[in-house]
Amino acid sequence: KAGVTQTPRYLIKTRGQQVTLSCSPISGHRSVSWYQQTPGQGLQFLFEYFSETQRNKGNFPGRFSGRQFSNSRSEMNVSTLELGDSALYLCASRTGTDTQYFGPGTRLTVL
Amino acid sequence: EDQVTQSPEALRLQEGESSSLNCSYTVSGLRGLFWYRQDPGKGPEFLFTLYSAGEEKEKERLKATLTKKESFLHITAPKPEDSATYLCAVLRPMGGSQGNLIFGKGTKLSVKP
Repeated sequence: KAGVTQTPRYLIKTRGQQVTLSCSPISGHRSVSWYQQTPGQGLQFLFEYFSETQRNKGNFPGRFSGRQFSNSRSEMNVSTLELGDSALYLCASRTGTDTQYFGPGTRLTVL
Repeated sequence: EDQVTQSPEALRLQEGESSSLNCSYTVSGLRGLFWYRQDPGKGPEFLFTLYSAGEEKEKERLKATLTKKESFLHITAPKPEDSATYLCAVLRPMGGSQGNLIFGKGTKLSVKP
């Protein structure tokens, strides 16, 4: 079975721009979660989607948004980028079990 | 607020020198504890899930154990390829702004030949 895939793997943007990241979960997995990872804060929860519905949202500003499609693929969007948004963005998927399987991440650099 | 603390932050070992990593947690209603391995620039790779105190899981040179307040990841006779950051995460029943799965900040392990 193919693992979680994320595109693009690397992105460089400038302040004020917006960005869209994509995540394709493992086949059959209906839950997708997004995390932001930085050296200082570790992994911080952004949001979780299940069957196209957002179940949870982390303590991030409204500039961070996401959605999930009927095929379970998910996207997250960050508008009006700030320098502090530079991070590794990770997507994880799971089935009914609790174990989350992570993708390789998207490295976002904001200049 | 629920919390997960890992120690030490960094650990340097010689090849073959066994040691343990610690993960302590304060979570209401623990549903499970997970260990992941993360290599630089990559996503976390799932290692183990533990559900109840006294449970142990093993995989090659790694063994994870769980008590009511903490978990240990024991590394026996490590090799340089075991060098990575090891992340601990706890699963709680309710979501909220932290999400269901709360991560520690990890222990960076370096194994020198």
